[in-house]
Amino acid sequence: QKEVEQNSGPLSVPEGAIASLNCTYSDRGSQSFFWYRQYSGKSPELIMFIYSNGDKEDGRFTAQLNKASQYVSLLIRDSQPSDSATYLCAGYNQGGKLIFGQGTELSVKP
Amino acid sequence: DVKVTQSSRYLVKRTGEKVFLECVQDMDHENMFWYRQDPGLGLRLIYFSYDVKMKEKGDIPEGYSVSREKKERFSLILESASTNQTSMYLCASRGIAGRSDTQYFGPGTRLTVL
Repeated sequence: QKEVEQNSGPLSVPEGAIASLNCTYSDRGSQSFFWYRQYSGKSPELIMFIYSNGDKEDGRFTAQLNKASQYVSLLIRDSQPSDSATYLCAGYNQGGKLIFGQGTELSVKP
Repeated sequence: DVKVTQSSRYLVKRTGEKVFLECVQDMDHENMFWYRQDPGLGLRLIYFSYDVKMKEKGDIPEGYSVSREKKERFSLILESASTNQTSMYLCASRGIAGRSDTQYFGPGTRLTVL
């Protein structure tokens, strides 16, 4: 079992819709989680981090963490074509290593 | 803002050449990392460093070495480049994000070995 798992996608949503990206993790001791956005041919860029159970909102982005179920999600409201990218979920394992998921490709259609 | 720079965006080398990829960060971070990223394989950690002159192997160190003579600079060396080392190479530096820390990436170097 991979330590951090994501559906590879592609996830396709129409412009203006809510995009929901999900991530599960296996290490129950993980405390901190991060979402990166990576445009094609570019490097990953940190867009959200979350440490506490519940929701954290930043503009059109909401990160959700449920430690009991061991999942993290990222919601993008009012999706725009410019949101089309691969989204990487990452979390620290108990060994202190930052583990990345494989990424979910999001495509927002005009 | 954390700034991580890499010496080249694109690089083309020939098989057998020695290749140097350089990474510089301006935030006095102690921890720096080198990854490669290939389609379908995700990010794979090659080497990391906790401090000057210290290095640790990551998941795929074979065929690579690193050098960290100064805190701000972390170099990845391909001793004898091979075609299977054609990839996107990403350097990262570990810095603060809220009450934890995470990794901030440089722009990447796309290396092609012919």
